[in-house]
Amino acid sequence: GNSVTQMEGPVTLSEEAFLTINCTYTATGYPSLFWYVQYPGEGLQLLLKATKADDKGSNKGFEATYRKETTSFHLEKGSVQVSDSAVYFCALLNQAGTALIFGKGTTLSVSS
Amino acid sequence: EADIYQTPRYLVIGTGKKITLECSQTMGHDKMYWYQQDPGMELHLIHYSYGVNSTEKGDLSSESTVSRIRTEHFPLTLESARPSHTSQYLCASSGQGNYEQYFGPGTRLTVT
Repeated sequence: GNSVTQMEGPVTLSEEAFLTINCTYTATGYPSLFWYVQYPGEGLQLLLKATKADDKGSNKGFEATYRKETTSFHLEKGSVQVSDSAVYFCALLNQAGTALIFGKGTTLSVSS
Repeated sequence: EADIYQTPRYLVIGTGKKITLECSQTMGHDKMYWYQQDPGMELHLIHYSYGVNSTEKGDLSSESTVSRIRTEHFPLTLESARPSHTSQYLCASSGQGNYEQYFGPGTRLTVT
């Protein structure tokens, strides 16, 4: 079946540090992949996406590349800010296109 | 900016009460979804709808029910709330051929 595995948090960084949050997936075929972010007390917001192998999604300084060889979609940012503190979810769209399958989420805490 | 609304944002209610969580979107999206987010932050799909008069159960079994009488409205009902129903409930929608799901701010339900 489909599944998404994210690195466990919390991830604690200082401002301007480099961020990597690992995400690997198991799925039939080549599903679309997503990163969502959830700020405290809010719903999820789409951060970036990639719909096919080797695609790179990017937004607000975050990037992730769809690697079919390693079935991975790691999230990176070169210099984090305090305002990036949130929970980050990796997700894939199931083959039927009916639902997103989420990882368990990774909490990021950035201090100044 | 996504236009999807959920009410109430917070609800504390006693065991045995009937509750309805409201979700509305003004984007004309055909597909709508309900996710349950447990305290560990993991998200699970409990219901989805492809359009008016269409409802399906998601991956996680739930005692709740949903209806889709109007395109913009997708309420979730619990006939008799129990403490095990305490959770955050997130509503989402997506357009025809668009796999991006837009999330509402969520309803945090506490059953005492």
